[in-house]
Amino acid sequence: GQNIDQPTEMTATEGAIVQINCTYQTSGFNGLFWYQQHAGEAPTFLSYNVLDGLEEKGRFSSFLSRSKGYSYLLLKELQMKDSASYLCAVLGAAGNKLTFGGGTRVLVKP
Amino acid sequence: NAGVMQNPRHLVRRRGQEARLRCSPMKGHSHVYWYRQLPEEGLKFMVYLQKENIIDESGMPKERFSAEFPKEGPSILRIQQVVRGDSAAYFCASSPVQGATTDTQYFGPGTRLTVL
Repeated sequence: GQNIDQPTEMTATEGAIVQINCTYQTSGFNGLFWYQQHAGEAPTFLSYNVLDGLEEKGRFSSFLSRSKGYSYLLLKELQMKDSASYLCAVLGAAGNKLTFGGGTRVLVKP
Repeated sequence: NAGVMQNPRHLVRRRGQEARLRCSPMKGHSHVYWYRQLPEEGLKFMVYLQKENIIDESGMPKERFSAEFPKEGPSILRIQQVVRGDSAAYFCASSPVQGATTDTQYFGPGTRLTVL
């Protein structure tokens, strides 16, 4: 089976850093994705990790530890427009099915 | 390059009616996935299709739901005899023709189905 956990909600201040953790237990693993979803809109792709380590992309970085079943998304220099839900999703070994966590709603305050 | 397109964006149906949701993948993509997002919940996989083939339908409810991706035209998710519990956002995603398991899935804007 698949189980993916992430916090429900986080609040941070504009300009600060926020780290969103994701832990997973899956029967197979072909990589972990992070998506951003603004209310009422489509999830948009942020990052993909399949090897252990940190992937940096501008203000956003994503880390993966396969042995620990753990990932985090780091958002730096937070902007008001970063207020959104952040979805952690695991690609299983069988086929192309993504299994999503419940999403973490991030609220950026001035 | 246009993104994944879905229509309608909003759909209202009465209990017992049929709902048809359409998805046109990104240009050059021949792999389509449907996901459902219930209010305040995460996305749940429903079905994965390639042209004229259903590859994985392990997330589809056993009754009333069907999906197709014909040789020509958009992919269709069909829900017969809708019930209030079908009210949700239905998202379609597509990935490139290469079909490697690690290809990124790109999502459409979703269809929000409301069943009265």
